[in-house]
Amino acid sequence: NAGVTQTPKFQVLKTGQSMTLQCAQDMNHNSMYWYRQDPGMGLRLIYYSASEGTTDKGEVPNGYNVSRLNKREFSLRLESAAPSQTSVYFCASSEGPMLTDTQYFGPGTRLTVL
Amino acid sequence: AQSVAQPEDQVNVAEGNPLTVKCTYSVSGNPYLFWYVQYPNRGLQFLLKYITGDNLVKGSYGFEAEFNKSQTSFHLKKPSALVSDSALYFCAVRDARAGGFKTIFGAGTRLFVKA
Repeated sequence: NAGVTQTPKFQVLKTGQSMTLQCAQDMNHNSMYWYRQDPGMGLRLIYYSASEGTTDKGEVPNGYNVSRLNKREFSLRLESAAPSQTSVYFCASSEGPMLTDTQYFGPGTRLTVL
Repeated sequence: AQSVAQPEDQVNVAEGNPLTVKCTYSVSGNPYLFWYVQYPNRGLQFLLKYITGDNLVKGSYGFEAEFNKSQTSFHLKKPSALVSDSALYFCAVRDARAGGFKTIFGAGTRLFVKA
């Protein structure tokens, strides 16, 4: 039982390049999330998916798109990377969207945009 | 608006001493409070949560947290710190009125436990 997995672990991009961050969970969770973590700012929600087939914007969605490919997988795409998107990206999942549901996090992707 | 404050960027304690990591919150409805720990180059791991009921919540690795409604606080505690507790700790809150998806995280507190 791997929990939440993310690929790649590290990535360096040049400004304007595109890339997709992959996330998968094997806990049969319905809800999935993408966060970014910046120093001194905690985690901020980029996009979330309440259930398979639905996605919605979080706190900082600009410059990103997402795809809920199936129940297990939730990808995050940067169409034209900018230096402001240098960050550590975390995927998370939870059983559902209930207030009481615990989120489980992947190990993160460290992205640098030059 | 919801907010979470972790007033200390860093907490230093000696091994064997009790530790406290502070968290205060502001929500418009009933709060649902969480503590997570992050070890270097790892994702966040769930420690404990307060939903309702007993104000003292017990969690993983010997940690506990006390919910204080009048002071709007949810401090993380451990009676005897270990060097292996050194990590980054995040407090988080969800507000019933804002919906289950909106989790607000504090900026984090780095805990150093000295041998």
